[in-house]
Amino acid sequence: EIVLTQSPATLSLSPGDRATLSCRASQSVTSYLAWYQQKPGQAPRLLIYEASIRASGIPARFSGSGSGTDFTLTISSLEPEDFAVYYCQQRTNWPTFGGGTKVEI
Amino acid sequence: QVQLQQWGAGLLKPSETLSLTCAVNGGSLSTFHWSWIRQSPGKGLEWIGEINRSGGTNYNPTLKSRVTISVDASKNQFSLKLRSVTAADTAVFYCARGYGSYWFWGQGTLVTVSP
Repeated sequence: EIVLTQSPATLSLSPGDRATLSCRASQSVTSYLAWYQQKPGQAPRLLIYEASIRASGIPARFSGSGSGTDFTLTISSLEPEDFAVYYCQQRTNWPTFGGGTKVEI
Repeated sequence: QVQLQQWGAGLLKPSETLSLTCAVNGGSLSTFHWSWIRQSPGKGLEWIGEINRSGGTNYNPTLKSRVTISVDASKNQFSLKLRSVTAADTAVFYCARGYGSYWFWGQGTLVTVSP
C-alpha cells in the first residue's frame, strides 16, 4: 500500500495569504496524484489531477506541482471560501488518500 | 452534468450486511469506472472498491473478503454490499466516478454500526 503523508496537519492563515500544502508518497506515484477540497458536511471536490492539471471550474489561484514522491498544492491568495480540509490521493496499485491538511483562519 | 444519488440503511447491528445503491444521472455506467469510498474519523478517506465499464471489479485488499460491488445496467445504478460489519465500519460512504481521480461524488450516506 502506498502511504501518503500530508503536512502540515493544520495551516493557520489569513485571507490573502499564500498557502503551501505538501503531500509525500511512500514510493513513486509518477504524476498520478490528485488534490481535493472538502468542507463540513460535503463530499470532497476535485481540484487538481495528474499532479498539476486543474479540474473544470477550479480557479487559477489553485496550482499543483511535483512528481515521483513529493507534491505540492499552492493557493496563491486565500479567499474566505478556501478555508477547508485538503486531501491528496494517488492511484498506483489501488487508490489511497492522505490524512488531510486543514487550512484555517 | 453527471449527478450521483445514493441511498441505503443508515443503522446496522454488528454482523449485519451493509447495502447501499448509487443511481447515475446524466451519464452511462458503461463509459467510466465507478467506486465506493468511505470516510471515518479514525481512518480518514478509504477506497473500498470499483466496478469498471465492462463490469469487472477491483477491491481494496483489506476489505476484499467482505465486499461485493455490482451493477444494474437497466436502472443505471451500482451497489455496494459489505458483510459482517462491526463498529469499525461506521463511516460516511460515498459513491464516485473516476479512475485516477474522482470527478463526481454522491452526497454521502452515514452508516452507523451499533448493537
